This record gives sequence, structure tokens and C-alpha cells, in this order.
Amino acid sequence: DQQVKQNSPSLSVQEGRISILNCDYTNSMFDYFLWYKKYPAEGPTFLISISSIKDKNEDGRFTVFLNKSAKHLSLHIVPSQPGDSAVYFCAASGGFGNEKLTFGTGTRLTIIP
Amino acid sequence: DAGVTQSPTHLIKTRGQQVTLRCSPKSGHDTVSWYQQALGQGPQFIFQYYEEEERQRGNFPDRFSGHQFPNYSSELNVNALLLGDSALYLCASSLATVTSHYGYTFGSGTRLTVV
Repeated sequence: DQQVKQNSPSLSVQEGRISILNCDYTNSMFDYFLWYKKYPAEGPTFLISISSIKDKNEDGRFTVFLNKSAKHLSLHIVPSQPGDSAVYFCAASGGFGNEKLTFGTGTRLTIIP
Repeated sequence: DAGVTQSPTHLIKTRGQQVTLRCSPKSGHDTVSWYQQALGQGPQFIFQYYEEEERQRGNFPDRFSGHQFPNYSSELNVNALLLGDSALYLCASSLATVTSHYGYTFGSGTRLTVV
């Protein structure tokens, strides 16, 4: 039962353009949603998160949008840079006291110079 | 500032054997979680330890067990290894008083291969 889904295994974007990564979830009890970035031979690195009571959160070039009615979230990266090439994981948690992360399968983002 | 340290980085074991993986959390963190990442999949939650007790557990059989020591470091033990246990095992540390939406700190993982 895949509660968090990333339906695009890979995405290629030209440098300077916008990268949009998508994620869908099925469990309406999730309280927080997070994006992690992973380089080969390294552990996932926290990027940005959003609470279920918000619909948008920005941090520099990264913006996460949450559409609760559609159970959908997206990560926008603007402008995309070569160092953004990595695997991006969407994750969800139940919040304080139920903090295990449920991950999607990841999207490999390649930025083309 | 040392992050999360995992050892060993790579390991090859034979089916049926037992394995112990180790994790030292980031300085100041008191909670350790373990995740299994199979090839082409996202990490899956195994369990979380806080105050030397298992606080939460994912959908893994009893062959997977753990321990947390007074210095907050942790071990993951897997008995009766199966070929399907081959995966990257990730340790993540956090501070219990801070909710997970600030994000865990992950180690680089231990790559376990069962032959």
C-alpha cells in the first residue's frame, strides 16, 4: 500500500528554468509533508517542509505547494541550477508523537547546462 | 559538527547469518530512527528509539531488532538474513522535543548485500 506516490521517476530541466516535482498521498491523517534531496553515496538531506494547515511555504529558490483537497503537493525550484541534480523524495508524517516518515519512491532530477 | 555516523559503510553477509549495524547520532540529538531503502524504492521506516526504548515500529518482522545506548547511539540487528534484506540501511537522528517537520538528519547509510 503506497501511501505516498511520486509518479515521475525522472525529470530533465534546462538550467535557469523552473523544475516542478509532484507528489500524491492517500492518507488524510498526515500532518506534515517534507522534501528531501539525495546525492549518490549520501543520506537524504532535508530541503523544505509544509504543515497541513498551510498551502504554500517558500525558502529561497524552493517553494512547496499543498493542495489538501486533491491530496497533492509539489516542489518548485526556480531557477534550476546544475547542483540541483539529485534524487528528490517526498515524505509525510503524522506530526508530534507519530513522526515516522513515509517516503515516496523518488524522482531523479537532471539539470541540463 | 559531526553529523550522523554509520558503520560499516558496506557489508556482505550470507543468507541465514546475523548482522549488526551501528549508528552515532548528530551531537545534541537524542532520538534515532532506522530506515531500509531497497533498490529503486524510497526509505521505509523500521523503528525509532528514544530513552533506550523502542518508541515506534514500522511493518517489519521480529527478525529486525534494535537497541539504544545511554550515549544515544544505536544498533540495528537483523537475524536469519534473507536475500530480500539486501538494501541501504539509513539511520536518522533528531531531537525529541522538536517535531519532524524540521527534518531528521540522515547518515550516509550501510549498504548490506546478502548472498
